[in-house]
Amino acid sequence: KAGVTQTPRYLIKTRGQQVTLSCSPISGHRSVSWYQQTPGQGLQFLFEYFSETQRNKGNFPGRFSGRQFSNSRSEMNVSTLELGDSALYLCASSLRGANYGYTFGSGTRLTVV
Amino acid sequence: GESVGLHLPTLSVQEGDNSIINCAYSNSASDYFIWYKQESGKGPQFIIDIRSNMDKRQGQRVTVLLNKTVKHLSLQIAATQPGDSAVYFCAEAPTGGGNKLTFGTGTQLKVEL
Repeated sequence: KAGVTQTPRYLIKTRGQQVTLSCSPISGHRSVSWYQQTPGQGLQFLFEYFSETQRNKGNFPGRFSGRQFSNSRSEMNVSTLELGDSALYLCASSLRGANYGYTFGSGTRLTVV
Repeated sequence: GESVGLHLPTLSVQEGDNSIINCAYSNSASDYFIWYKQESGKGPQFIIDIRSNMDKRQGQRVTVLLNKTVKHLSLQIAATQPGDSAVYFCAEAPTGGGNKLTFGTGTQLKVEL
């Protein structure tokens, strides 16, 4: 079966712009989480959605937002981009949540210049 | 506070030897643990998991050991192969932790021929 699909794979944006990243979970998975990965901070939790509801949010500014659609696909948006937002953004899906294990996508590499 | 830490940032082993990657966690409420492998340019890949009611779990060439007394997790890779070269992360999911995984900092495993 198809894995977690993230698009686009690479993005280059300018400071101040906004960006939208997309994630298609494994079929049947209703929980989708987003993580930011940087060399300095490692993997940090952004937020988790289940059946279109945000169940948990990490310690990130309000510029980071997300949503989940009725087909479980998810998007995350970052507004007013800063240089420090350059990172690998990873999406992961699970049947129900963290205690069922997460399968990760290959990520979107965002570079802010 | 809550943290998941790895003892060694880099581990070098000879091909064919066994590898042991360690992880310390501090949240005694964690009841589910996962090891992920991440190769360059890819998202984390699930290796093996273990729940807190178990001490040991085996997969194909991999074994995870959980010592709840000292809050320690380890990943053993038997007959390490060049394809095992990657960064390995441990992650924990606390009970009531809001469906998020807390990741360790990662260990770079280098397999020498």
